[in-house]
Amino acid sequence: EAEVAQSPRYKITEKSQAVAFWCDPISGHATLYWYRQILGQGPELLVQFQDESVVDDSQLPKDRFSAERLKGVDSTLKIQPAELGDSAMYLCASSGGLALLTDTQYFGPGTRLTVL
Amino acid sequence: AQSVTQLDSQVPVFEEAPVELRCNYSSSVSVYLFWYVQYPNQGLQLLLKYLSGSTLVESINGFEAEFNKSQTSFHLRKPSVHISDTAEYFCAVSVDASKIIFGSGTRLSIRP
Repeated sequence: EAEVAQSPRYKITEKSQAVAFWCDPISGHATLYWYRQILGQGPELLVQFQDESVVDDSQLPKDRFSAERLKGVDSTLKIQPAELGDSAMYLCASSGGLALLTDTQYFGPGTRLTVL
Repeated sequence: AQSVTQLDSQVPVFEEAPVELRCNYSSSVSVYLFWYVQYPNQGLQLLLKYLSGSTLVESINGFEAEFNKSQTSFHLRKPSVHISDTAEYFCAVSVDASKIIFGSGTRLSIRP
């Protein structure tokens, strides 16, 4: 069964350093999501792509976070500089289309970031 | 703005006992409701969803949830749980079908 791949699974970094996460969606999925899940909370949408275009990045802290999906396939989420409050699980999900109600989101296993 | 409240952060139950995981939402307009499950070391998976029609929705593994508009609830139930149901369960809501808002999750632990 096809899965969403994410790497690394775990990342420890010091504050002020740059960090990057990678996501490879299920083949053929046009829509890609990045979520942040702080311990004890539910996932919060950071950015949504349709192919290579950003559909929604209203919750992305743009002063330090950036996301790209240059060829409309895999995606990279970057944080520079990292802050202590960025410690969280970063989840990637993909779906076949933008119809939220009918296009199921498939989630990857996540990248757990710890900022020291 | 819409929000989702999962009152119980942890629910321990014995194997073969019934369970109810509570979920309440706040919204002044029509909503779409979801339950997601996250098994240990796996990604989130859609368990079931309510879009319209029958207020009782079922999943393939014996869970069911009932949409109660008057009580703004979407509680998840199973009459008899198994060890394999051990997971974290997230309730979620969407108002305009463009974004999903997740609750904080309920960790279900099953005791033999």
